Amino acid sequence: KAGVTQTPRYLIKTRGQQVTLSCSPISGHRSVSWYQQTPGQGLQFLFEYFSETQRNKGNFPGRFSGRQFSNSRSEMNVSTLELGDSALYLCASSFVTHTYEQYFGPGTRLTVT
Amino acid sequence: GESVGLHLPTLSVQEGDNSIINCAYSNSASDYFIWYKQESGKGPQFIIDIRSNMDKRQGQRVTVLLNKTVKHLSLQIAATQPGDSAVYFCAENNSGGSNYKLTFGKGTLLTVNP
Repeated sequence: KAGVTQTPRYLIKTRGQQVTLSCSPISGHRSVSWYQQTPGQGLQFLFEYFSETQRNKGNFPGRFSGRQFSNSRSEMNVSTLELGDSALYLCASSFVTHTYEQYFGPGTRLTVT
Repeated sequence: GESVGLHLPTLSVQEGDNSIINCAYSNSASDYFIWYKQESGKGPQFIIDIRSNMDKRQGQRVTVLLNKTVKHLSLQIAATQPGDSAVYFCAENNSGGSNYKLTFGKGTLLTVNP
């Protein structure tokens, strides 16, 4: 089975721009969660989607949003980028929601200049 | 196992020794704990989990111990191998009820010397 894939792997954007990151879960997995990883704050939960519905949300501003499609693929969007948004964005999938045995993708490294 | 800023706690062990990685969690109401391993350039990988109604759980070469009295979690790795070199994170579910919201520790860098 192919693992979780994330595209792009690396991205450089300028302050004020917006960005869309994509995540394809493992085949058959219906839950997709997004995390932000930074050296200062570590891994922080952004949100979780299951069957195209956002089930849970972390403590991030409204500039961070996401969605999930009928094929379980998910995208997250960050608008009006700030320097502090530079981070590794990780996507994780699982078969069902509310499970902790998630499978992480390699992440998208976003750099905001 | 917590850190501030860029400095991760580090643990350096010899190949074949046992490793113990510690983690202090924050919320006494947390009901589920997980250990993840993250190798350089990769996403975290699930290692083992434990529910709050347990105090010990064993996996292959790994054991997780939970002490709810002092809010402490540890991961023991037996016969540590060079491939175990990675950053190890503990995570707790502390959103309460049926919700799901993981809070991760900052991580501990384990280096295994051959």
